[in-house]
Amino acid sequence: AQKVTQAQTEISVVEKEDVTLDCVYETRDTTYYLFWYKQPPSGELVFLIRRNSFDEQNEISGRYSWNFQKSTSSFNFTITASQVVDSAVYFCALSEAGYSSASKIIFGSGTRLSIRP
Amino acid sequence: EAGVVQSPRYKIIEKKQPVAFWCNPISGHNTLYWYLQNLGQGPELLIRYENEEAVDDSQLPKDRFSAERLKGVDSTLKIQPAELGDSAVYLCASSLASGGPSYNEQFFGPGTRLTVL
Repeated sequence: AQKVTQAQTEISVVEKEDVTLDCVYETRDTTYYLFWYKQPPSGELVFLIRRNSFDEQNEISGRYSWNFQKSTSSFNFTITASQVVDSAVYFCALSEAGYSSASKIIFGSGTRLSIRP
Repeated sequence: EAGVVQSPRYKIIEKKQPVAFWCNPISGHNTLYWYLQNLGQGPELLIRYENEEAVDDSQLPKDRFSAERLKGVDSTLKIQPAELGDSAVYLCASSLASGGPSYNEQFFGPGTRLTVL
């Protein structure tokens, strides 16, 4: 069965600190996708990144970076020099690939990130 | 381009009353999803439509929940009768297609926050 675990329920840091959100996943599939979504107070889920299970190359986008390690089934998300606008709930998610599973996304329980000025 | 539209944004009803939520997906998206998000949890898929066909409704509590997408465009999710435990956010998402050799992103609407008193 597929499962996504975000052990950190809440994180609070002071602005400009770096912060890492942990994500551990379980799947029996060899081909899958991993995601991070941001959910600000407005409620809408904002897509941040998608990674294919065959691509373990880490990715950086501005202040955001992602560390994908299949050996530990982890897909961690780091925000460098955090800002107050980064305050939100962040979800890690997993989806099987291919027609049979048809893009069902399994979400973790989320990490609430608060950035204090 | 307009995103996924949902209405109402907020709904407060008394238990045992019926309630309906409406979703209009992004133009051209033939796959539509309804998710349930309980407080402090990640979204969970309730039902997925490919055009007007419900292809995955395994998580939909069919005793009180129903959904339709008659013309393969907008969709309605109904609860009758509502129970206290149905208080949650109901998210709608759409994508170009599900499954297949390439992944098509799901775009989420702002959700409908339901409170059952």
